[in-house]
Amino acid sequence: NAGVTQTPKFQVLKTGQSMTLQCAQDMNHNSMYWYRQDPGMGLRLIYYSASEGTTDKGEVPNGYNVSRLNKREFSLRLESAAPSQTSVYFCASRTTTGTGGGQPQHFGDGTRLSIL
Amino acid sequence: SQQGEEDPQALSIQEGENATMNCSYKTSINNLQWYRQNSGRGLVHLILIRSNEREKHSGRLRVTLDTSKKSSSLLITASRAADTASYFCATDPLNQFYFGTGTSLTVIP
Repeated sequence: NAGVTQTPKFQVLKTGQSMTLQCAQDMNHNSMYWYRQDPGMGLRLIYYSASEGTTDKGEVPNGYNVSRLNKREFSLRLESAAPSQTSVYFCASRTTTGTGGGQPQHFGDGTRLSIL
Repeated sequence: SQQGEEDPQALSIQEGENATMNCSYKTSINNLQWYRQNSGRGLVHLILIRSNEREKHSGRLRVTLDTSKKSSSLLITASRAADTASYFCATDPLNQFYFGTGTSLTVIP
């Protein structure tokens, strides 16, 4: 049981290049999330998908697009990378069924992205 | 920004001592969660406390919640070197998660 898998683990891009970060989960979770983590800033939500077929903006969506390909996979795309997007990107998933709410998120180990 | 604040930003203690870190948040909540992040890894869920609870225990972890002050604290008792990590609080109003800025804990053997 792999949990949440992110690919690639590391990537270096030049300004203006595009790329897609991949995320897959095998826990049959319905909600998935993309975050960026910058020093001193904690994690900030970029986009999330509450269920298959839906996506919504988070706190810092500018410069990114997402696709919920199916229940397992949620990708993050940078169309024209900028140095300000240098960060560590985390994908997470959770179930939102069950009583009482507050189900925990399960995280991948991140993609370290540098944009020159 | 909806991010919460954590205090202190960094904490260094000897093995066996207790570690306390605090979190303040901005929104009304149904629950608050604490996560741990080891260096180079993703976050791992530790414990959840609901808005109608004031204190919760799990092993060596004790969490308190004061909704009137919009604050929470995490106490790790009898710390171990393996507890060295960053600790984050998180709230999830309307299915969006807001994480605090984190406390970096170093436990010296």
